[in-house]
Amino acid sequence: ETGVTQTPRHLVMGMTNKKSLKCEQHLGHNAMYWYKQSAKKPLELMFVYNFKEQTENNSVPSRFSPECPNSSHLFLHLHTLQPEDSALYLCASSQVLAGGRGYNEQFFGPGTRLTVL
Amino acid sequence: AQKVTQAQTEISVVEKEDVTLDCVYETRDTTYYLFWYKQPPSGELVFLIRRNSFDEQNEISGRYSWNFQKSTSSFNFTITASQVVDSAVYFCASERGAAGNKLTFGGGTRVLVKP
Repeated sequence: ETGVTQTPRHLVMGMTNKKSLKCEQHLGHNAMYWYKQSAKKPLELMFVYNFKEQTENNSVPSRFSPECPNSSHLFLHLHTLQPEDSALYLCASSQVLAGGRGYNEQFFGPGTRLTVL
Repeated sequence: AQKVTQAQTEISVVEKEDVTLDCVYETRDTTYYLFWYKQPPSGELVFLIRRNSFDEQNEISGRYSWNFQKSTSSFNFTITASQVVDSAVYFCASERGAAGNKLTFGGGTRVLVKP
């Protein structure tokens, strides 16, 4: 595998289900991100992990729970979602400078298309 | 806070025509970074270019060229002699750099190249 991979690519779930999205980066980067892309809004940053520590939670509802067990893996745990949470969820990674300073481009995975019924 | 505006929501051209995508950004930072990404129908965002705020030199890469002008806070992107494979959504984005690694995206411009 190369680059950033995401599984599953498509997910349909009911509002009472619990599911998880997985992201893995094979680039040796030290930062990982979750984004939400819905039809009516621009790309929204959800979470940022620098050096495995969460440094950004962009006012995301608690029904979304991220987990970063190591610098290569990032999960997004989902529970009791709403239909308006249906969207494309994109994972990305990058190499940040010391102190979490940005500089380099982010590399994106193909996304998980989530549908909440 | 940073803000990125892509006023054109959709552009339709015929193959071989040139197309220019506008991007206007707002920032209070003196050091920042600007990016362009391409999102084809498959969904994955593909990195195209990064530009530092202190480097206003324009850049050309094949059929792609970028015009960065700090005086007008613009970072425009031109595709020369467009091809059907250029059909995608293009996003402009900014990052604060020293203040963190958060990307702020514009709303995107959908480019449709017709044969």
